[in-house]
Amino acid sequence: EDQVTQSPEALRLQEGESSSLNCSYTVSGLRGLFWYRQDPGKGPEFLFTLYSAGEEKEKERLKATLTKKESFLHITAPKPEDSATYLCAVGGGADGLTFGKGTHLIIQP
Amino acid sequence: DAGVTQSPTHLIKTRGQQVTLRCSPISGHKSVSWYQQVLGQGPQFIFQYYEKEERGRGNFPDRFSARQFPNYSSELNVNALLLGDSALYLCASSLPGQWEQYFGPGTRLTVT
Repeated sequence: EDQVTQSPEALRLQEGESSSLNCSYTVSGLRGLFWYRQDPGKGPEFLFTLYSAGEEKEKERLKATLTKKESFLHITAPKPEDSATYLCAVGGGADGLTFGKGTHLIIQP
Repeated sequence: DAGVTQSPTHLIKTRGQQVTLRCSPISGHKSVSWYQQVLGQGPQFIFQYYEKEERGRGNFPDRFSARQFPNYSSELNVNALLLGDSALYLCASSLPGQWEQYFGPGTRLTVT
């Protein structure tokens, strides 16, 4: 059974203060690792897919990396609009995605 | 292009009642998945449908059922509602052969 653990549960940063969110996973075979952003009361918004260890993807102030056991979402010089819950998931195909509980990120001006 | 759409936005039901939630996928997407998200948790997989057939099922009781129509839209049905069924129900669609799933805004179900 796939398992995903995200840390920290919550993170409060000052605007411009860079940090990283962690996603540890256990799978029988990795099909894909996915990062989503979720704003309160809304559906998750797709950010990145990573398929193999060593892979990196970037989008604006976000950069996702992948190793054989974990993924990191690095946020550089964040702005208040980056405040959201960031979800990590593994899976793909007929078994659906297995999500972690998410990291609630708050960026203070 | 329009994203995944879901209806209704909010719904209040009484214990023991039945509910039907609806989802229209992104144009060109043939696979639809349903997830349940309770407050403070990540989404939990319920069903996946592709070309009108159930391809995968999560660990949910038989009170939960779904179907997909020829136009790839989908319905999720929940019978004999329990208080614990109160959650945000999310629909996601994906392109054939790709694993990225794109989510709709969800339906907020409250069971009283």
